[in-house]
Amino acid sequence: QQPVQSPQAVILREGEDAVINCSSSKALYSVHWYRQKHGEAPVFLMILLKGGEQKGHEKISASFNEKKQQSSLYLTASQLSYSGTYFCGTETTGNQFYFGTGTSLTVIP
Amino acid sequence: DTAVSQTPKYLVTQMGNDKSIKCEQNLGHDTMYWYKQDSKKFLKIMFSYNNKELIINETVPNRFSPKSPDKAHLNLHINSLELGDSAVYFCASSQGRVSTEAFFGQGTRLTVV
Repeated sequence: QQPVQSPQAVILREGEDAVINCSSSKALYSVHWYRQKHGEAPVFLMILLKGGEQKGHEKISASFNEKKQQSSLYLTASQLSYSGTYFCGTETTGNQFYFGTGTSLTVIP
Repeated sequence: DTAVSQTPKYLVTQMGNDKSIKCEQNLGHDTMYWYKQDSKKFLKIMFSYNNKELIINETVPNRFSPKSPDKAHLNLHINSLELGDSAVYFCASSQGRVSTEAFFGQGTRLTVV
C-alpha cells in the first residue's frame, strides 16, 4: 500500500539535475510532494491532481501519470538548500492516503 | 505566529505510562491529522479528524486515541506505552480533505524507556 520511491538515496553536486520517482500499486486521485530537512517537519512542495498536469515550483517540477499510477519529481540545477528527504504522498481513489518510502537527497558543493 | 504547534517537543517516559501530546492550529483549517515517523523515517498516517468525523488507520493500536475539544485542537493520548511507540509524532492540518496542502507541526520526539 505504501508507494515505493526510487532512488532511495542520491548525492548530487550543486547545479546537477535529479529525478525522484514514486510508484503506487493502487489507483490514484492525487499525488503530493513534500521535503523534510533533518530534524524538521515535512514541508509541502506541490499537489498533482488526476489529469496528468505537470506542476512547477521554482526549479522543482513534477508530473503525474495516472494510468501508470506513477509520479516523478524533477529537480533542476540543484542548490545546497535542496538537500533533505523527499516524500511523495498518494491519495487513492478510495480516499486513503499514504506517504512513500522517501528519497534522501544530498547536494554537495 | 506558529501555524501548527505541538507540545511537548521531547517526551521521555517509562514503559506502561500514559501520556498526551497536544496540538493546536491557528490556520482555521477543518481537518487535522496525526502522523507517526519511525526510526527509518517512514511516515504513516494514524488519524484524520474532519468536522467531528474521525478516520482511523486500522493498523493503529487502540492504546492510541485522538481527542478534539474543538476544531483548532487535536490531542493524542497514548495508554500503556511500549518500547515500539518510540518515534516522532507529527500533527498536521489542512483545509478540506486530503487533496490539499497539509501544514505540519514541528514534531514530538517520544522515547519510551
